[in-house]
Amino acid sequence: GAGVSQSPRYKVAKRGQDVALRCDPISGHVSLFWYQQALGQGPEFLTYFQNEAQLDKSGLPSDRFFAERPEGSVSTLKIQRTQQEDSAVYLCASSHSTGNSYEQYFGPGTRLTVT
Amino acid sequence: KNEVEQSPQNLTAQEGEFITINCSYSVGISALHWLQQHPGGGIVSLFMLSSGKKKHGRLIATINIQEKHSSLHITASHPRDSAVYICAVRSGVGKIEGSNYKLTFGKGTLLTVNP
Repeated sequence: GAGVSQSPRYKVAKRGQDVALRCDPISGHVSLFWYQQALGQGPEFLTYFQNEAQLDKSGLPSDRFFAERPEGSVSTLKIQRTQQEDSAVYLCASSHSTGNSYEQYFGPGTRLTVT
Repeated sequence: KNEVEQSPQNLTAQEGEFITINCSYSVGISALHWLQQHPGGGIVSLFMLSSGKKKHGRLIATINIQEKHSSLHITASHPRDSAVYICAVRSGVGKIEGSNYKLTFGKGTLLTVNP
């Protein structure tokens, strides 16, 4: 079956623009995660959804970052008034559940460059 | 100090060599993941383990819970193994279902295998 997909794969935004990044998780996966990966670094947790509920948004770096998953499937990460420090790869992952026995499946990421 | 430390940061090997990448962590964990990331690509899960040893093809992962250490070994390395290898831990031993989801990642080890 299809894996996790993300769009767009690459996004160039001018400083101050708003961007929206989309994640299509694996069908039927309950859990959805967003991560931010700066160049040369490991991913860092941003936020977590269980179905449509956003259970943890502790990793969102500022109130310019907003994520939603209104129908418990597709999720959108929105960044308002982008800044240069927002340049990173944004990774989405989904999981069948949240217990120890369930792996997270990652999408290809969206590379955001803010100029 | 980062919760997850990997070594080495960069590793160059000749085809056929035996590779070892190390991961040390400082928190109590319920599972440890080894992930592979190719340049420009998404992340692929290689192993998820909470004790002992797992083997898949030429890849072997071990974990020592008491020493808070894990190793990823690649036997008979090949240029196609060239990638970034990332260690990630799932912390929260004993937490209730639904809260034990967060992954903390190392910075990754860039492996280059030359022909």
